[in-house]
Amino acid sequence: DAGITQSPRHKVTETGTPVTLRCHQTENHRYMYWYRQDPGHGLRLIHYSYGVKDTDKGEVSDGYSVSRSKTEDFLLTLESATSSQTSVYFCAISASTGAETQYFGPGTRLLVL
Amino acid sequence: GENVEQHPSTLSVQEGDSAVIKCTYSDSASNYFPWYKQELGKRPQLIIDIRSNVGEKKDQRIAVTLNKTAKHFSLHITETQPEDSAVYFCAAIPGGGTSYGKLTFGQGTILTVHP
Repeated sequence: DAGITQSPRHKVTETGTPVTLRCHQTENHRYMYWYRQDPGHGLRLIHYSYGVKDTDKGEVSDGYSVSRSKTEDFLLTLESATSSQTSVYFCAISASTGAETQYFGPGTRLLVL
Repeated sequence: GENVEQHPSTLSVQEGDSAVIKCTYSDSASNYFPWYKQELGKRPQLIIDIRSNVGEKKDQRIAVTLNKTAKHFSLHITETQPEDSAVYFCAAIPGGGTSYGKLTFGQGTILTVHP
């Protein structure tokens, strides 16, 4: 597996609380992505980053924000968690865009009560 | 934006049989089509990919075919084994210089190989 870690791996939180998930890579890859995985929906892109401090929205970005202050870390924040954000969150990295493999992290399982 | 449809949603085969999973995409400018395998509780892992300038690619028991005219691509697994049981996802990257590698995934196919 590529050098990608996610923390925490599991989290239970309450509705209305802020939550931050961390993705850390040791590959020095430029591109990083956050996806969520839900039954029947496959994986859907939340936000992505194409460089330090360069981020943009994906398909399902409402209620989420991201930050990337250094190459190796990409943070995903749920500003005020809702039950609909209960999901498995995967981070991915890529050395370049277009026809280049994306490597996924181990995932974070989030339960919002 | 890009839309990827994947069929079937579940597929059950006997060990040794072949399995075929099909995906269609909407953006004719899409140029990269990976397939991921995800075992229960694990991360998606790339098993094969194909680029738009290639019609077919093989890797041992796995092959992928691409029909750009019809905008569909398929995963073929021959001589299936129980360890092939997993969820398989197709994906596509939309064309254009600002795609930034944004994958659009199909809904997934649960493949079960019975011994």
